[in-house]
Amino acid sequence: KAGVTQTPRYLIKTRGQQVTLSCSPISGHRSVSWYQQTPGQGLQFLFEYFSETQRNKGNFPGRFSGRQFSNSRSEMNVSTLELGDSALYLCASSLGAGIAGDQYFGPGTRLLVL
Amino acid sequence: GEDVEQSLFLSVREGDSSVINCTYTDSSSTYLYWYKQEPGAGLQLLTYIFSNMDMKQDQRLTVLLNKKDKHLSLRIADTQTGDSAIYFCAELRSQGNLIFGKGTKLSVKP
Repeated sequence: KAGVTQTPRYLIKTRGQQVTLSCSPISGHRSVSWYQQTPGQGLQFLFEYFSETQRNKGNFPGRFSGRQFSNSRSEMNVSTLELGDSALYLCASSLGAGIAGDQYFGPGTRLLVL
Repeated sequence: GEDVEQSLFLSVREGDSSVINCTYTDSSSTYLYWYKQEPGAGLQLLTYIFSNMDMKQDQRLTVLLNKKDKHLSLRIADTQTGDSAIYFCAELRSQGNLIFGKGTKLSVKP
């Protein structure tokens, strides 16, 4: 069974641009969550999607948004990039809302904002 | 407080046991997790424990949970140099999101 995949793996953008990251969960998993990892703040929850609906959202500005498609693949978008958005963005895949247990992470997308 | 707490560093000799400790915050958290992160990589799920259990063993890994004190530990038996990494504990909140500690950097000396 293939693991969680994230594309692209690395990205360099400049301030003010926008970026879209993609996550494909493990086959059969319907929940995708996104996390931001920085040296200063550690791992912080962005949002969770289940069956194309945002179920939960972390404490991030509205520049951060996401969506989920009918095949459970998810994208997150960051508009008007700031230097502080440089981070490793990780997505996690699980069976579904209310069915916790395994939460598998992808390898991440490393975003550098110049 | 709101934070999941872990000590930042642990150094052990190869072949010894490592014990990484964690204090979590929400007594209603249903699952508690241990993840391993190697340099430049994502998070590897090592193991997790359901909150109604007090111990789980998986090969060289033993997880102990003290729900009363909200304390979680991960013991790695016969620690190897390949175990050198950052280890994160995390609690699954009722809303469905994971809250992570800052990570414990484990260094294994030959």
